[in-house]
Amino acid sequence: GAVVSQHPSRVICKSGTSVKIECRSLDFQATTMFWYRQFPKQSLMLMATSNEGSKATYEQGVEKDKFLINHASLTLSTLTVTSAHPEDSSFYICSAIGHKYGYTFGSGTRLTVV
Amino acid sequence: QKEVEQNSGPLSVPEGAIASLNCTYSDRGSQSFFWYRQYSGKSPELIMFIYSNGDKEDGRFTAQLNKASQYVSLLIRDSQPSDSATYLCAVKREQAGTALIFGKGTTLSVSS
Repeated sequence: GAVVSQHPSRVICKSGTSVKIECRSLDFQATTMFWYRQFPKQSLMLMATSNEGSKATYEQGVEKDKFLINHASLTLSTLTVTSAHPEDSSFYICSAIGHKYGYTFGSGTRLTVV
Repeated sequence: QKEVEQNSGPLSVPEGAIASLNCTYSDRGSQSFFWYRQYSGKSPELIMFIYSNGDKEDGRFTAQLNKASQYVSLLIRDSQPSDSATYLCAVKREQAGTALIFGKGTTLSVSS
């Protein structure tokens, strides 16, 4: 079946630094990637949608200059949290769809900003 | 009004009972509906999806869809302690992309 590999699984960073999260589709071409954020005891909140080779579409209220999304190839999408602050601490999850595959989720990244 | 609404629970049922989880959605044009299970600190796992009005059964799970009432439900028969988790209802957006929009989730606790 389809697999999306997400790294790192956990990251702790200092306030003001940037963190990059990668999602790779291992056995299919991901035409579209979705990035979600989940705070404790909350649901998955859609942050942005990205299609390979084009700019990401951000949801209302999500700062595009803070959460940089790059979908440079059909197998790789990255989310960079720039100038991270403690309020950015959350669980970030990617999801990908391809021509023959439905929604496949990565395993998630627990970000802690100290 | 939120796009997808669920009762956050917790819903507590004894082992062997039927657990009933409910979800409503706001976009009348929605066509595709999904149920996911999520354990704490993990990513969601797909249980099943449903597109057509009526019931869809898969093992101990039955999804029910009523588009006129904009209502989706999930029944879990013969509930087991291992079913204890958060259940997320998701609706595929039909406009402005194809993302899944999730409800808050219902926490289910099955006691032995």
